[in-house]
Amino acid sequence: GAVVSQHPSRVICKSGTSVKIECRSLDFQATTMFWYRQFPKQSLMLMATSNEGSKATYEQGVEKDKFLINHASLTLSTLTVTSAHPEDSSFYICSARERAPGSYNEQFFGPGTRLTVL
Amino acid sequence: LAKTTQPISMDSYEGQEVNITCSHNNIATNDYITWYQQFPSQGPRFIIQGYKTKVTNEVASLFIPADRKSSTLSLPRVSLSDTAVYYCLVGDPAAGNKLTFGGGTRVLVKP
Repeated sequence: GAVVSQHPSRVICKSGTSVKIECRSLDFQATTMFWYRQFPKQSLMLMATSNEGSKATYEQGVEKDKFLINHASLTLSTLTVTSAHPEDSSFYICSARERAPGSYNEQFFGPGTRLTVL
Repeated sequence: LAKTTQPISMDSYEGQEVNITCSHNNIATNDYITWYQQFPSQGPRFIIQGYKTKVTNEVASLFIPADRKSSTLSLPRVSLSDTAVYYCLVGDPAAGNKLTFGGGTRVLVKP
């Protein structure tokens, strides 16, 4: 299957700093990428939908100025957590959909990034 | 998006068949049913997808009754490495591909 990578896999930062997480589709072009957040023992929560060349669409309750998303190319989307606070500590996962999907609803997920804010 | 309901957890033993049933009473005509598997600290992995009747691949089978208001994921002869959380999702592939994850089912395979 298609491969999606995330970098970094783990990051620890101080409160008030900003952290950038990269999501890359390695062997396919992704017009759409999705960003999720997952707290321990909980399900994935969709944060935003990122479309190449356009502004991201954020889910209700997700602050767009807090979580900056950029989808500058068909293989890269970035999520920047600005002025991070301890409550932003979570597991952030991206997924990507191929440029020309068939009838499949399949998304390819990255391995996730563990963010810890001290 | 149709809401799904799954059991919170299930225990099984190595070599047994595990069946996880998902309820999706409000499934729409164009919705497909998709199952994902997630190991701790990893992203979800696609297992299987179907629209109606039965779908089988190398890792699982998916049974969907005629009314499509539920579906059952069947994992044959599980091993310890099948211990994971399994998510059932429904959605229309042509409607933006936005996935809404429910609570999932935590499957524990014991030796």
